[in-house]
Amino acid sequence: AQKITQTQPGMFVQEKEAVTLDCTYDTSDQSYGLFWYKQPSSGEMIFLIYQGSYDEQNATEGRYSLNFQKARKSANLVISASQLGDSAMYFCAMREEIVNKLVFGAGTILRVKS
Amino acid sequence: NAGVTQTPKFQVLKTGQSMTLQCAQDMNHEYMSWYRQDPGMGLRLIHYSVGAGITDQGEVPNGYNVSRSTTEDFPLRLLSAAPSQTSVYFCASSFATGSHEQYFGPGTRLTVT
Repeated sequence: AQKITQTQPGMFVQEKEAVTLDCTYDTSDQSYGLFWYKQPSSGEMIFLIYQGSYDEQNATEGRYSLNFQKARKSANLVISASQLGDSAMYFCAMREEIVNKLVFGAGTILRVKS
Repeated sequence: NAGVTQTPKFQVLKTGQSMTLQCAQDMNHEYMSWYRQDPGMGLRLIHYSVGAGITDQGEVPNGYNVSRSTTEDFPLRLLSAAPSQTSVYFCASSFATGSHEQYFGPGTRLTVT
């Protein structure tokens, strides 16, 4: 079964607008962490944001925020005020405490238009 | 700090050849892991290690071996390369298993002909 599902293969957003990248996950573990990574065309993996399953507040890091809806098992990434440099592949990932492995979704390609 | 380093950056192998992808980190991280990235499939975990002397299998371990004799190094061995192993390989490390962030190396692009 898919542990991490990213249903949007590709997204377009106008510069300076906000965009939401979807991520749903599947786990029976009570303790887990959710991550978002950015991969620009140069290929490196850049950590963006983390949300723990017990965190009450949604995580925020600058222009990035994670919309965590535990009951729906979703962990959407919101990028505010998009910039051209945000054009990249974005991966959602989950680490379950029991199995102690980081599992990635297939990714969403984001293109920011000027 | 060099962070996580991987060598080589690019490699072409013939079917049946063996080779070792090197990974090293200088951050004293306990947790290290290897992933492969194929188009449309995200990153898939090959093997991981929670400390020196301890390794375990990920999602796609077949055809690969690892060892962790030191905290710093975590080499990935391809025993007998196959075209299906053509991929980009990433090594990653983090301070502890529950750590928020994994630091990724720059990747190795491997082609098996």
